[in-house]
This record gives sequence, structure tokens and C-alpha cells, in this order.
Amino acid sequence: DARVTQTPRHKVTEMGQEVTMRCQPILGHNTVFWYRQTMMQGLELLAYFRNRAPLDDSGMPKDRFSAEMPDATLATLKIQPSEPRDSAVYFCASGMGPTSRDTQYFGPGTRLTVL
Amino acid sequence: QKEVEQDPGPLSVPEGAIVSLNCTYSNSAFQYFMWYRQYSRKGPELLMYTYSSGNKEDGRFTAQVDKSSKYISLFIRDSQPSDSATYLCAMSGIGGGSQGNLIFGKGTKLSVKP
Repeated sequence: DARVTQTPRHKVTEMGQEVTMRCQPILGHNTVFWYRQTMMQGLELLAYFRNRAPLDDSGMPKDRFSAEMPDATLATLKIQPSEPRDSAVYFCASGMGPTSRDTQYFGPGTRLTVL
Repeated sequence: QKEVEQDPGPLSVPEGAIVSLNCTYSNSAFQYFMWYRQYSRKGPELLMYTYSSGNKEDGRFTAQVDKSSKYISLFIRDSQPSDSATYLCAMSGIGGGSQGNLIFGKGTKLSVKP
């Protein structure tokens, strides 16, 4: 049963600390998306990669967020330094198509709390 | 005005009821319309996908798009307790790049009582 995996599932940290979230896309999927979900803003696209190359990161705060795909089986989202307003659920999704309107499969999310 | 508006609910209905979920949007360039279902503490999963206007039916679910009114709907017939979830609408324009990016509504929380 192929699925997207994310680690950690939960993370509590203090303001100013570095946070790294990891995602393993479904094998064979070559598009990977990072989303953030909050009650206030809903689900927002932060960035996405196609064949490991960043295609769009316009939704991501550039000063503290960074996203990478070191290889086809691992995507990372890093926040440094973290702030309380970064508290949210971060989802990774993967798919075969080149855009987020193509079918994508979401992971279970990383629930981040920044104190 | 946000590009996509969705009533957050919560919406509570008895088992067997017909459920109507709706979204309005402001961007006339949107051509792709989707509904995602999200169970508590899980990621969203694609439920229905339509292009341009019209209806699409899949089992107990029917998606409708009215582009003239910038209004989309999801109907659930014979609702079941297992349908209890948050339903998110999503839409995007044609083309690649940021025009192809999905814009999500905030979701409507549905509870179906046995």
C-alpha cells in the first residue's frame, strides 16, 4: 500500500529553534508539494518540486523557510529560526503530474507547535 | 475578499440525509474544481474532480459547477456516519506555474449522526 510518509508526526519546540520536517514521497512520483494548514488561513501551498528541482516557492517565507530534495526519496522543509506563528500542520504530498491540480496524495502531516 | 470562500460549519445532519456543501470564488480564470475530504488528524484525499462547468456523479457524491455564478457544490446522498469529515473545495486555472496552483477553501466540517 504505497503512501507518503512524514516525520516527525508531532514536534514541540521553543521559539528560535531550528525545525526540520521530512517527507518520503510515493515511489515513482516525481512531483512533491509542501503545504501548511492553519485554522485561520486554511491549506496553503508553500513550495513544490518537479524531478527534484524547485518549481515554485512563492508561498514560502524566504527569510526563515527552506525546502530541498536531496534525492528522489526525501524532501525536507526547514524553519530557522522558528516563531510561534509557524505553529501549524505541515503536509507533504506527491504526484505524477506537473501541477498541484493534478492528482496528489497527501501524507499524514507534521503537527508543529512553537512555544 | 479571499479568492475562495467556504462556510466552515460545523454542519450536523442525521444519517440518510442529503448534504449540500458549497464554495464561491472570485477568480473567473478558474477552470479546474475539486473536492477533498479530510478526516480528523489525516491528510486530505481527492474526492471529486471536474473541469469547467457541469455535473459529475460518483456513487453517492455529485459535484456541480456553475461558472456563471462562480459557485460550486458537492452533494452527498444517503449520508453515512463514515462521511463525517472536513470537506475542502479547491480550484485552479489553466496553465502551468502559479496559475496551475490549487487554491483551497478553508473547509466545512460535517458530522453525520447515526
